[in-house]
Amino acid sequence: EAQVTQNPRYLITVTGKKLTVTCSQNMNHEYMSWYRQDPGLGLRQIYYSMNVEVTDKGDVPEGYKVSRKEKRNFPLILESPSPNQTSLYFCASSPTGDPYEQYFGPGTRLTVT
Amino acid sequence: GEDVEQSLFLSVREGDSSVINCTYTDSSSTYLYWYKQEPGAGLQLLTYIFSNMDMKQDQRLTVLLNKKDKHLSLRIADTQTGDSAIYFCAEYQSSTDKLIFGTGTRLQVFP
Repeated sequence: EAQVTQNPRYLITVTGKKLTVTCSQNMNHEYMSWYRQDPGLGLRQIYYSMNVEVTDKGDVPEGYKVSRKEKRNFPLILESPSPNQTSLYFCASSPTGDPYEQYFGPGTRLTVT
Repeated sequence: GEDVEQSLFLSVREGDSSVINCTYTDSSSTYLYWYKQEPGAGLQLLTYIFSNMDMKQDQRLTVLLNKKDKHLSLRIADTQTGDSAIYFCAEYQSSTDKLIFGTGTRLQVFP
């Protein structure tokens, strides 16, 4: 089944404890992206990648890192999480090198205390 | 600006039509999208329209685009309880190579 998977789906952590949220797609898509969803703000893009070893900042990249060593994986890293990073995170992928027609993962709800 | 605006809530009776509205600001937008987010799930692409089109129909869904007013709408005919979800419009801005999402409209369908 063609899909975007994220792990974990739910995570509660403490301030400053490094964490990684994994994202994987099995559709051979070139474009991958991370968003955060907050009430009243819609989805805001954190980072995106147009291909392997190519990553760029989105609108809200502060406090996050990403890597794209393989086409299928695009992990999101929070080196020192803070409570304002409590949010719902979505990974998405697109078949072309462009962001339209994105396919979304199920989301990861992160709480930082 | 990059804002994409939607009303936050819409409540309709089952069987009626729902119309969800969206306004955007960037005239360079080439594609406009509607996504559906069901509770606890990710976003699912419902439909999209290219900026040189005025209307697109897909079964119960009708998308209308008024490019002059930068207004996009999604009409759902014969709305069902399974249509209850949050609906996001999004514009792809070729000038910035970004997909900008609206804040989402929560559609509630009551019997």
